[in-house]
Amino acid sequence: DGGITQSPKYLFRKEGQNVTLSCEQNLNHDAMYWYRQDPGQGLRLIYYSQIVNDFQKGDIAEGYSVSREKKESFPLTVTSAQKNPTAFYLCASSNLGLAVPSTDTQYFGPGTRLTVL
Amino acid sequence: GESVGLHLPTLSVQEGDNSIINCAYSNSASDYFIWYKQESGKGPQFIIDIRSNMDKRQGQRVTVLLNKTVKHLSLQIAATQPGDSAVYFCAEIGGSNYKLTFGKGTLLTVNP
Repeated sequence: DGGITQSPKYLFRKEGQNVTLSCEQNLNHDAMYWYRQDPGQGLRLIYYSQIVNDFQKGDIAEGYSVSREKKESFPLTVTSAQKNPTAFYLCASSNLGLAVPSTDTQYFGPGTRLTVL
Repeated sequence: GESVGLHLPTLSVQEGDNSIINCAYSNSASDYFIWYKQESGKGPQFIIDIRSNMDKRQGQRVTVLLNKTVKHLSLQIAATQPGDSAVYFCAEIGGSNYKLTFGKGTLLTVNP
């Protein structure tokens, strides 16, 4: 089945540690995204990538880093510089075509809940 | 700045009733809108989308209405079921940067 997978589902981090969240998609989508969701809030964009080996900062990129070495993978590293990392992290992917409705649709993974101890 | 927001943070309906969830947006350049459903602890699930050149689009039990004059979007769910209980987000894309802007969400509770 095609889809987006994220791992781990739950992640615990000590203060001062870097942690990496995995996101893999087999939908052959060009674009991939990372969002952060805090309780009772909407999604905020951290980073996005429209093509391999290229990515752009979103609205809240400070304290995070990404890489896009392969089309199907877009890992997110939460660094020690991120002062309030406890949140639900969601990865998404989409095609970039605009000609047909729904091709822009972003499909989301199941999420990773990160907790700082 | 540009934003997408929701009129009501919570909505409670009886099973079998129709539900209407509203969303206002401020970016007049937005040309694509999506409704997502998010159940607790899960990622958002695509429900339905609409382009700015359309006023209405129907899916299975759901209808999205777009009023560009007042920059308003609504999601109508017919014959609401307990399984429809979730947080519903509207999102929009404006311009060519492919970035979605999300509203804060409306919590829909369906009472049996």
